[in-house]
Amino acid sequence: AQSVTQLDSQVPVFEEAPVELRCNYSSSVSVYLFWYVQYPNQGLQLLLKYLSGSTLVKGINGFEAEFNKSQTSFHLRKPSVHISDTAEYFCAVSDLAGTASKLTFGTGTRLQVTL
Amino acid sequence: SQTIHQWPATLVQPVGSPLSLECTVEGTSNPNLYWYRQAAGRGLQLLFYSVGIGQISSEVPQNLSASRPQDRQFILSSKKLLLSDSGFYLCAWKGGPSSGYTFGSGTRLTVV
Repeated sequence: AQSVTQLDSQVPVFEEAPVELRCNYSSSVSVYLFWYVQYPNQGLQLLLKYLSGSTLVKGINGFEAEFNKSQTSFHLRKPSVHISDTAEYFCAVSDLAGTASKLTFGTGTRLQVTL
Repeated sequence: SQTIHQWPATLVQPVGSPLSLECTVEGTSNPNLYWYRQAAGRGLQLLFYSVGIGQISSEVPQNLSASRPQDRQFILSSKKLLLSDSGFYLCAWKGGPSSGYTFGSGTRLTVV
């Protein structure tokens, strides 16, 4: 079984400031890691994913995340946020179990960007 | 390119009424299909997933059921809705082992 912990339910930040959204996971097998963004009343949009290779993953909208296997973390970062980044962010993990893989989500972090 | 369609976008249903939400995928074959629910102020809970026609796995015992009558069609149903069935329902599909998960735009269900 796998689980995802997003410690911060809300993160307030001023525009143009840097931000880090924390994500830790637990799994007994190797996993893929994802970050999704959800704008109000919309579906989920993939920001970035880690499958293998370089532990620093760059995604859309200037976001990046670093996979740290020893700390079982996959924190999301952006050096300078914009008002339009205000949204809910979900970290997720998927096992590598062939055809029956499933995506397990954290509880989400609400990023609130203000002027 | 692959696309996923989910409808309706919003739905208000009385307690005890039936439910049918439909999800279809275009541009791919034999995808894994998933139904998630997002309750107000909570994360996303996996309800059902399917690896092929007629193959449904349930993650959480509940008042809902799912069916996959065609390769790219996934239906979420209920015979009698409960107030607790209210939420935001998301359909998703996944291709090969190293592909990501793509989500539909969701259905906001309010049971009154």
